[in-house]
Amino acid sequence: SQTIHQWPATLVQPVGSPLSLECTVEGTSNPNLYWYRQAAGRGLQLLFYSVGIGQISSEVPQNLSASRPQDRQFILSSKKLLLSDSGFYLCAWMVGDPDTQYFGPGTRLTVL
Amino acid sequence: AQKVTQAQTEISVVEKEDVTLDCVYETRDTTYYLFWYKQPPSGELVFLIRRNSFDEQNEISGRYSWNFQKSTSSFNFTITASQVVDSAVYFCALSEAVGQTGANNLFFGTGTRLTVIP
Repeated sequence: SQTIHQWPATLVQPVGSPLSLECTVEGTSNPNLYWYRQAAGRGLQLLFYSVGIGQISSEVPQNLSASRPQDRQFILSSKKLLLSDSGFYLCAWMVGDPDTQYFGPGTRLTVL
Repeated sequence: AQKVTQAQTEISVVEKEDVTLDCVYETRDTTYYLFWYKQPPSGELVFLIRRNSFDEQNEISGRYSWNFQKSTSSFNFTITASQVVDSAVYFCALSEAVGQTGANNLFFGTGTRLTVIP
């Protein structure tokens, strides 16, 4: 069966520091991968998605970036965090067209 | 453009009451998919149901039921005999059948926070 992992689970970072969040999927091949952000008390905002290795599409211009170095690995990065980057970051995967997106456990990021 | 509206921000019910969560959507696509997800306090989004635009049959799964009506662009979710474990934020979402990018991006509503009081 497929599983999706995210780490770290929680992170507290100072403003201006770098960021690296990792998402990995097991049990499937060539999934679509997604990064979402949920600000406190808000809905989900799609940040990036990837349909294959090295292919990244950005939905929202910001100081975040994403990379997909391997088929089942998706990384969210920033060179310098802003206060507004605080939130709950969720990774999701999908196989099939169309199909359902399944979400990871999330990373709660607090920027101080 | 796709849009999902969940007008109910928060709902509180007493245990064993029935509750309906509303979802209204907008899309110009003739083929699309609708979803409901549950987000318990732990934060992870749990998939509940997917419906395609050609299937308007209502669906029942235990205490959960869904009413899809294309005429009113609604996809409402009813919990019968609510329980404390049903307390969560519930999200309705829409995806285009064949996205321009092939990625089937999900468009989420803002969610409804359900609190079931024992």
